[in-house]
Amino acid sequence: GENVEQHPSTLSVQEGDSAVIKCTYSDSASNYFPWYKQELGKRPQLIIDIRSNVGEKKDQRIAVTLNKTAKHFSLHITETQPEDSAVYFCAASIQDTGFQKLVFGTGTRLLVSP
Amino acid sequence: DAGVTQSPTHLIKTRGQQVTLRCSPKSGHDTVSWYQQALGQGPQFIFQYYEEEERQRGNFPDRFSGHQFPNYSSELNVNALLLGDSALYLCASSLRDSGQPQHFGDGTRLSIL
Repeated sequence: GENVEQHPSTLSVQEGDSAVIKCTYSDSASNYFPWYKQELGKRPQLIIDIRSNVGEKKDQRIAVTLNKTAKHFSLHITETQPEDSAVYFCAASIQDTGFQKLVFGTGTRLLVSP
Repeated sequence: DAGVTQSPTHLIKTRGQQVTLRCSPKSGHDTVSWYQQALGQGPQFIFQYYEEEERQRGNFPDRFSGHQFPNYSSELNVNALLLGDSALYLCASSLRDSGQPQHFGDGTRLSIL
């Protein structure tokens, strides 16, 4: 089955710096890659997603890139702010029957210091 | 527009007991998925329900079972609880074939003593 690896497990940056989180997946049939942000004690919230027919997607300070050949995708956060501090999860899914079965990475704890 | 709601928020059980967790999907959604999130880990897929049938299942034992009702709400049942079942149980809903992402509830924190 699908396996998703995520690095780094923790990431500390100064406010205003950029942060990059990387994930690799094993199943070449995966075609949907969402990123979730989870604050302490709260639900995972979708921050951006990308499909396999797109190489890059951007939403204000957040961008995601996908390399299907290498089977890896990355989250880029620019101009980080203290409120970006949270745990970020990548996930991969195969959407062939209309259903999503998300396989998550182990998470990256991002700490943005003022 | 109500999002995904789960109950109860917290639950404490002892080993060997049984537990039922409940989920109401976001309005307009017809598919419910359940995930287990152990402390410090990513969510792990348990199973998914659509049209009152289990459609996909992750690598969880038969002690984990579920149900979906005609109004799309769902229950997760766990029998013969083990200490290792202590986790945050998350429900996510979506609309089949929409291509739209899953929306998560706040979860139920289950502690096994």
